[in-house]
Amino acid sequence: EIVLTQSPGTLSLSPGERATLSCRASQSVSSSYLAWYQHKPGQAPRLLIYGASSRATGIPDRFSGSGSGTEFTLTISRLEPEDFAVYYCQLYGSSLFTFGPGTKVDIK
Amino acid sequence: EVQLVESGGGLIQPGGSLRLSCAASGFIVSSSYMTWVRQAPGKGLEWVSVIYSGGYTFYADSVKGRFTISRDNSKNTVFLQMNSLRADDSAVYYCARVGGTSLAFDYWGLGTLVTVSS
Repeated sequence: EIVLTQSPGTLSLSPGERATLSCRASQSVSSSYLAWYQHKPGQAPRLLIYGASSRATGIPDRFSGSGSGTEFTLTISRLEPEDFAVYYCQLYGSSLFTFGPGTKVDIK
Repeated sequence: EVQLVESGGGLIQPGGSLRLSCAASGFIVSSSYMTWVRQAPGKGLEWVSVIYSGGYTFYADSVKGRFTISRDNSKNTVFLQMNSLRADDSAVYYCARVGGTSLAFDYWGLGTLVTVSS
């Protein structure tokens, strides 16, 4: 079973700053099946990135994904007020899905 | 426009059963992979179950043997039958569509709250 870990647990930043979120897999995985989601309280989660680096429909280009093997990164180039939320990486493998524990991006 | 609307949540005693529904519009459920994800209070997202277009089903270890995912093609609806419910099953349950070749969850519902308590 592949385990995803995310770091940091919480990232305290100011609007306009750059956010770099990490997702690490316990073993090498296919980047084709690595996704990132944004989740705000009381809302449905929103798909941001699929295939490790492809932006989903309607996602602003300040969001970008990269990585391969066991190390993946979500970068928000300049934080907007609406970007403060929890971010999850997620992986498909062997017919099952798994989420990382999440990184909370909050306002400094 | 793609929409997913969950229903069926509520307060249930430990050991009880509940059936959640996810009504889809804007696409055909039987041609898609559909999944359930939950979020317990104060916790992160946890994948629960998936049903593939061919009908194959898979479950997280935490619910295997207790939960059953199914669909009604005539109603374009996906279900999650939850039996032998425990306090740690309390969560908001989300239904989502698994999109194309990426197998990412591209559309989500707003969720339905399940509370297991005596």
